[in-house]
Amino acid sequence: AQSVTQLGSHVSVSEGALVLLRCNYSSSVPPYLFWYVQYPNQGLQLLLKYTSAATLVKGINGFEAEFKKSETSFHLTKPSAHMSDAAEYFCAVNDNQGGKLIFGQGTELSVKP
Amino acid sequence: KAGVTQTPRYLIKTRGQQVTLSCSPISGHRSVSWYQQTPGQGLQFLFEYFSETQRNKGNFPGRFSGRQFSNSRSEMNVSTLELGDSALYLCASSLNLNNEQFFGPGTRLTVL
Repeated sequence: AQSVTQLGSHVSVSEGALVLLRCNYSSSVPPYLFWYVQYPNQGLQLLLKYTSAATLVKGINGFEAEFKKSETSFHLTKPSAHMSDAAEYFCAVNDNQGGKLIFGQGTELSVKP
Repeated sequence: KAGVTQTPRYLIKTRGQQVTLSCSPISGHRSVSWYQQTPGQGLQFLFEYFSETQRNKGNFPGRFSGRQFSNSRSEMNVSTLELGDSALYLCASSLNLNNEQFFGPGTRLTVL
C-alpha cells in the first residue's frame, strides 16, 4: 500500500534562511509525487509535481523538490524563506491509477522575522 | 479561467441530519475528487468521479455518497450526520484521470 511520511509536523526558520521540508514515500509502482501548500481557511494550492521526467522539479514561488528513488524521498526546498511562505505544506503520492491522492500529515512552516 | 468552486463555504448541522455539498470543477475538467480534512486524520480520500462514474472510493462508511452530473459538476451527500463528520470537505478537479488536481476552497461542516 502506498504511504507518505512527512518528517516534522512543525518547522520554524528565520526569514532568508533555507527551507527544507522532508517527504518520504512508499509505492509499489513508479509514483507521481506532489507538494501542495495550504494557507489558513483556504484549499490546497499545487506547488510542484513529479511525473517521472526530470528528477529536479521546479515549482511556483521559488520552491523546488528532488526525486531520489534510492532514498524514496521527495524533499521540498527553497533557498530563502519569506514571511509569506508561512503555511502548511503537504506531500502527496498518486499511484497512477486515477485521482486518489495519498497525503502526508502535513508540515506547518513558521517564518520568524 | 475560474477555479474550482464549492458551495456552501460554511455549514452547521445537528446530529442525525443529512447534508449535500456541491462542487463545480474548472471548465473542461472531467474528473472530480473529494477529500475530508480533519486535525486528527489529516487529508483522506473520499471518492473520485469521471464522466459521471465513480472510479475510486476511499474507506468511508456508506453514509458518504456522491455523484457527478453530465456537466462534470459533483455533489457529495452525508446522511445521518455524526459529530465526527465535522471537517473541511475539499473538492478537486483535474482534466482527466492521472492529471494534477486543483482544489477548491472547501466547505467547512460543523456537526453539533
